[in-house]
Amino acid sequence: SQQGEEDPQALSIQEGENATMNCSYKTSINNLQWYRQNSGRGLVHLILIRSNEREKHSGRLRVTLDTSKKSSSLLITASRAADTASYFCATPPKDNFNKFYFGSGTKLNVKP
Amino acid sequence: GAGVSQSPRYKVAKRGQDVALRCDPISGHVSLFWYQQALGQGPEFLTYFQNEAQLDKSGLPSDRFFAERPEGSVSTLKIQRTQQEDSAVYLCASSLALGGTSYEQYFGPGTRLTVT
Repeated sequence: SQQGEEDPQALSIQEGENATMNCSYKTSINNLQWYRQNSGRGLVHLILIRSNEREKHSGRLRVTLDTSKKSSSLLITASRAADTASYFCATPPKDNFNKFYFGSGTKLNVKP
Repeated sequence: GAGVSQSPRYKVAKRGQDVALRCDPISGHVSLFWYQQALGQGPEFLTYFQNEAQLDKSGLPSDRFFAERPEGSVSTLKIQRTQQEDSAVYLCASSLALGGTSYEQYFGPGTRLTVT
């Protein structure tokens, strides 16, 4: 079974709307990271939130972390067509922090 | 100043052939990771190096898979006697991480392997 899993699997919104995607995980983590993958490309790191942080912002990105529920959310505000991509959370376990687990991702489509 | 590079970008192999996939990490990055990504799925961890030492190879799916990083920089992932189920994108990532915590990883564009 996977350590981390994103939902929804797919999300389609209009440009300018906000997009929220969630990540759930199973074991204690060192930190949680969100990555974006454009079609046919490698992953790009977006934001890292430490296990003792509850919320973090970076530009139009807002990440929350609830370690008691073992879940995180990524909010993209004022979405743009260029945000169209797959989004993955990475959940390195506390006891093996170099072994990143990724879920199947959320496929975001932002319509112009 | 370049990012992580991988070669070849695309590889078609006949079943039973051996393949070698190369990764050039960002200069100075101590840690190097290999992942396998099947279509429509997230990356799955294969193996991890710190400098030239392979510290975790628990994700390698079989003994046909072998990775090395002899001088602590460039790494090669070798797959022997390829099978159709090996068809996937192979991603390499590097990181400054030395230990104690995990850091952001910088990914290459991947090598798409198709086994016919």
